[in-house]
Amino acid sequence: QSALTQPASVSGSPGQSITISCAGTTSDVGGYDYVSWYQQHPGKVPKLMIYDVSDRPSGISNRFSGSKSGNTASLTISGLQAEDEADYYCSSYTRNRTQVFGGGTKLTVL
Amino acid sequence: EVQLVESGGGLVQPGGSLRLSCATSGFTFSSYDIHWVRQATGKGLEWVSSIGTGGDTYYSGSVKGRFTISRESAKKSLFLQLNSLRVGDTALYYCARAMNYYGSGVYFDYWGQGTLVTVSS
Repeated sequence: QSALTQPASVSGSPGQSITISCAGTTSDVGGYDYVSWYQQHPGKVPKLMIYDVSDRPSGISNRFSGSKSGNTASLTISGLQAEDEADYYCSSYTRNRTQVFGGGTKLTVL
Repeated sequence: EVQLVESGGGLVQPGGSLRLSCATSGFTFSSYDIHWVRQATGKGLEWVSSIGTGGDTYYSGSVKGRFTISRESAKKSLFLQLNSLRVGDTALYYCARAMNYYGSGVYFDYWGQGTLVTVSS
């Protein structure tokens, strides 16, 4: 199972919106609505931000939103804040009943 | 408070073995699937293995046949036996709880702090 494809880095200014893509195949992202996104600050454990493509766990800001089209999922962060600077990983259920992560995207808030 | 605490990591030579443990508390262990996820220093997350509440097990292709996951409800603990270790297995190994919800997706709502495995000669 190959890792999902994410851009290595994205950046934006405070208040702006950014979108991170996550490309998979019909065996993972495209085949199931079981995509999630995790935020990881340096030295910290990952934090679940989005599940089931577009749902937010309790306590997660509505500035974070998710979507999917075909084999590609996306995470959008609106109203960028300094504390959003972190690494972001997508993840998907696969047809082999395993999980696969994306390579990760480093978000820089300028 | 939900807690997962990993232990058992260390330095091992290529070809060697280690047994990782994940002690849990603060939730009904027998009701949750538990997973292992690893992260090499400065690199991304990699899913390794999972064990369901019924004992069903799954592995990534990179570790299948070398790693064995198990759980012991009486001790509320998860284990990962690592055999035939390779330099590429060097990473921080996290255990993570898969959240229970109405759907069928797998999402990690609680993570341990990780235990470091270093494979080097």
